[in-house]
Amino acid sequence: AQTVTQSQPEMSVQEAETVTLSCTYDTSENNYYLFWYKQPPSRQMILVIRQEAYKQQNATENRFSVNFQKAAKSFSLKISDSQLGDTAMYFCASGMNRDDKIIFGKGTRLHILP
Amino acid sequence: GAVVSQHPSRVICKSGTSVKIECRSLDFQATTMFWYRQFPKKSLMLMATSNEGSKATYEQGVEKDKFLINHASLTLSTLTVTSAHPEDSSFYICSALGGGTYEQYFGPGTRLTVT
Repeated sequence: AQTVTQSQPEMSVQEAETVTLSCTYDTSENNYYLFWYKQPPSRQMILVIRQEAYKQQNATENRFSVNFQKAAKSFSLKISDSQLGDTAMYFCASGMNRDDKIIFGKGTRLHILP
Repeated sequence: GAVVSQHPSRVICKSGTSVKIECRSLDFQATTMFWYRQFPKKSLMLMATSNEGSKATYEQGVEKDKFLINHASLTLSTLTVTSAHPEDSSFYICSALGGGTYEQYFGPGTRLTVT
């Protein structure tokens, strides 16, 4: 069974700082995908970044990047130059290719302080 | 990008009644949709996988007779909460699997309150 663990329930950082959100996962699959989703106060789920497990190169999307350590089953999210609009719940998630289900971690509530 | 809508955005119903929530993929066809439940300040819990033209696959612990799922077309899945009780009050979110990709596109959610 897949599990996703986020050990930081809540974090606060000053605007413009860099913050790293932690995530570990467990799966017995060889083909899987990892995601970071953002859920702002509107509660709309927004895909921030995704990583295919077979790719060694870490995914990046503008200010967002991941540190994917496959052997350690770790998938952390780094937000550079944080902005007030980054304030949200962030969910780490894992999906398997064979049934397309996504399993979510418990989330990290991130506050960007002015 | 792909857009998924949900209707209604919020609904209040009386205990014992049934309520239907619709999930539509607006600009793509989705053979697979997912239904999640989210309690306040909690994560998304997958309830079931909805497949067009076949029975839904429910996660362990989810009552299939209480949460009826119908996926009658490639753009519409419905979740009916039957004989609703206050403990069914929650935020329900659907997602649709993008055609040809493994990415899920999420609807804006439906807040259900059972009085």
